[in-house]
Amino acid sequence: SQELEQSPQSLIVQEGKNLTINCTSSKTLYGLYWYKQKYGEGLIFLMMLQKGGEEKSHEKITAKLDEKKQQSSLHITASQPSHAGIYLCGARLGGSARQLTFGSGTQLTVLP
Amino acid sequence: GAVVSQHPSRVICKSGTSVKIECRSLDFQATTMFWYRQFPKQSLMLMATSNEGSKATYEQGVEKDKFLINHASLTLSTLTVTSAHPEDSSFYICSARDHKSGEQYFGPGTRLTVT
Repeated sequence: SQELEQSPQSLIVQEGKNLTINCTSSKTLYGLYWYKQKYGEGLIFLMMLQKGGEEKSHEKITAKLDEKKQQSSLHITASQPSHAGIYLCGARLGGSARQLTFGSGTQLTVLP
Repeated sequence: GAVVSQHPSRVICKSGTSVKIECRSLDFQATTMFWYRQFPKQSLMLMATSNEGSKATYEQGVEKDKFLINHASLTLSTLTVTSAHPEDSSFYICSARDHKSGEQYFGPGTRLTVT
């Protein structure tokens, strides 16, 4: 099984609706990153969380890292077609890991 | 912010030929670079870790003789796909780790199509 599990795998919402994507790790997270991507294009950095309980917002996107630092959620308020894409969480799993390991990704479709 | 470039952005090659992809950190030094592969509708999978001046470390299941990695300088790593086959067609993304900050920055990716 994957070390970083994302749910749901795909999501279709009507424009204007709120949505949440979850990222759960089997290990303690040392830095949790959220990226957005369209396949065939590069990663767009959204935000990074490090401390348990930390919450960051950018425009209509809010990300939280839970107290035990093993789960993060990404919440989009009043979704728009421009939010469509693949959302990836990435983390360094284990204190000595140098590379980011990625979750399975969530494909978001926003219907106009 | 830190910039990582990849070249080429797209490449089409014939089966059996080799293709080289370059990854450069433009405004920082990267003693470590990472190569990821992504298939359609799937996440990024780490292929190998490239260390400046030493051999790359490959993830389980990745053939080191097929995916040759060279990290000859603090700003350049190359991935050569040797004897390419259609199943090697994928999106390849490199990432460079800033030597000073430890942050990891991603390139824009290279789409490889093997015909």
